[in-house]
Amino acid sequence: DAKTTQPPSMDCAEGRAANLPCNHSTISGNEYVYWYRQIHSQGPQYIIHGLKNNETNEMASLIITEDRKSSTLILPHATLRDTAVYYCISLKGGSQGNLIFGKGTKLSVKP
Amino acid sequence: EAGVAQSPRYKIIEKRQSVAFWCNPISGHATLYWYQQILGQGPKLLIQFQNNGVVDDSQLPKDRFSAERLKGVDSTLKIQPAKLEDSAVYLCASSLARGQTEAFFGQGTRLTVV
Repeated sequence: DAKTTQPPSMDCAEGRAANLPCNHSTISGNEYVYWYRQIHSQGPQYIIHGLKNNETNEMASLIITEDRKSSTLILPHATLRDTAVYYCISLKGGSQGNLIFGKGTKLSVKP
Repeated sequence: EAGVAQSPRYKIIEKRQSVAFWCNPISGHATLYWYQQILGQGPKLLIQFQNNGVVDDSQLPKDRFSAERLKGVDSTLKIQPAKLEDSAVYLCASSLARGQTEAFFGQGTRLTVV
């Protein structure tokens, strides 16, 4: 599975959009991009995933570049409860589901 | 629906003692995972079960760690004997089926070895 690179930390003002980048320059054609987040003292929580098209759900939007070498997770209106570590993971489709977590991005939403 | 249940939430033991963690996955989820999360790092997969069979235990330190899922539902993870470096949060997760990668995580068990 391709390695991903994320900034270690980011700040965002409450109510503004949080845009979290992820580089996955070695991603292969059958690898999906998954995002999870981990709020303090909780287990990771699934957010969204995509292959090459942009995706949106009730939690976030995922924008994947045309060459698929990078993606951005967008939280449209960040709240204090969105303060968490966000993990970007690449994973082959149909795999056994072995999520390999890096260190992620610590997002701090500030009032 | 009920989430993944883990117990205990916290455990403190002395080195060389043994400890066991319990996990009850979401009903109907065939795949179960145990992860170890050391402070400041992302979770690391220890073992994956598909029903009651082991799919991947390549990162499980088998000299001291063991896990079982006898009836394909609940699972236990044991450490015997514990070392100081085993201090971590142990997370259990489950997913509906193999290849279904939306995994649901429990709150974890925080182990401190002194």
